[in-house]
Amino acid sequence: GQQLNQSPQSMFIQEGEDVSMNCTSSSIFNTWLWYKQDPGEGPVLLIALYKAGELTSNGRLTAQFGITRKDSFLNISASIPSDVGIYFCAGPRRAAGNKLTFGGGTRVLVKP
Amino acid sequence: GAVVSQHPSWVICKSGTSVKIECRSLDFQATTMFWYRQFPKQSLMLMATSNEGSKATYEQGVEKDKFLINHASLTLSTLTVTSAHPEDSSFYICSANSVNTEAFFGQGTRLTVV
Repeated sequence: GQQLNQSPQSMFIQEGEDVSMNCTSSSIFNTWLWYKQDPGEGPVLLIALYKAGELTSNGRLTAQFGITRKDSFLNISASIPSDVGIYFCAGPRRAAGNKLTFGGGTRVLVKP
Repeated sequence: GAVVSQHPSWVICKSGTSVKIECRSLDFQATTMFWYRQFPKQSLMLMATSNEGSKATYEQGVEKDKFLINHASLTLSTLTVTSAHPEDSSFYICSANSVNTEAFFGQGTRLTVV
């Protein structure tokens, strides 16, 4: 079930803008994952974070693992049209066979 | 990177028939595979955990006789939707893990029951 609070639920972007979203949890996770899902496709892993305080980049994407291990954020710099999609944070529960707990997703849309 | 292939991408079936969806890990051995269902504009809902050579573990509220899961090898898991009804229409997604990787997802299967 969904136990990660992800915000915002949706956002509009204009090409060139920076985008930021975050995820919080009431419990500690030792790994944070960020996925992107395009319409009609499965999620694709963008960034994996393994250490509290870790800041990791993947091209224009940057994600940080909060020092309390209860939150993470994802930034997209200089957005482009193909950044449109749904972004999910997720935390694997190692003691439960790596079951993923998902955030509700952030839907990134293009401003008309 | 790790590749998970799901087949078919979409399927339309008549009410009362059964549909089988395959999930394959192409370049790694998947100790665990997961099956999800996703409704429009919602997050992924875990249906069951599939471990090679053992019975699947179903989440609460998921009918195991309705959604049959078989994980016969370290690279293949199948989900069979038995006696499908229109309310089973949904987007089904699998994911696979090895001991050394995070979850990689298949492309998803859009099931429409008419």
